[in-house]
Amino acid sequence: ETGVTQTPRHLVMGMTNKKSLKCEQHLGHNAMYWYKQSAKKPLELMFVYNFKEQTENNSVPSRFSPECPNSSHLFLHLHTLQPEDSALYLCASSQKLADNQPQHFGDGTRLSIL
Amino acid sequence: AQKITQTQPGMFVQEKEAVTLDCTYDTSDQSYGLFWYKQPSSGEMIFLIYQGSYDEQNATEGRYSLNFQKARKSANLVISASQLGDSAMYFCAMREVTNFGNEKLTFGTGTRLTIIP
Repeated sequence: ETGVTQTPRHLVMGMTNKKSLKCEQHLGHNAMYWYKQSAKKPLELMFVYNFKEQTENNSVPSRFSPECPNSSHLFLHLHTLQPEDSALYLCASSQKLADNQPQHFGDGTRLSIL
Repeated sequence: AQKITQTQPGMFVQEKEAVTLDCTYDTSDQSYGLFWYKQPSSGEMIFLIYQGSYDEQNATEGRYSLNFQKARKSANLVISASQLGDSAMYFCAMREVTNFGNEKLTFGTGTRLTIIP
């Protein structure tokens, strides 16, 4: 139990579908992140939210749309995805500016695009 | 240029032996942090150990220790007395501050460790 919960664990969707990934953290952290993990590639940072405000978009295509309604919840809205978007999507949270504190990750959502 | 380099794509180690997973990094920052994470086949990323650039002692957490050689820019993970449950992917990561002032982790490509009974 990491304190970061992601749902669903697995998602299969067609390219024309719209779905959302959900992340919730119970650690009282003030920063939340979306990462993408593709096969044989390092984790890629997608978005950063600090205190509910998006502070970074790492050149992510607009078919990925994040939402952070409060500091405990983070969503990733998906629409008209491409097959290359199939990957493991990991959510993380941390206490900003706490040097020795790690980012805590959820279990991830394994996304498959048909 | 790659900032975190893990040169061992895969390793096989006999149970109960010690294992060292290599990690080298590249940064011009004076202050940075290095992390090791474990990722079992189920997908979750589990934090193992942290080393700060100003820490004079090598970090230790139970069976995990970090062999930190700052001048060589290396931060190798040492697992003592390996167990079957240690079989997983292991990632080295460095904390950086982005151009927007955010903290982010830059990960290496990982090492797949398999413990043989």
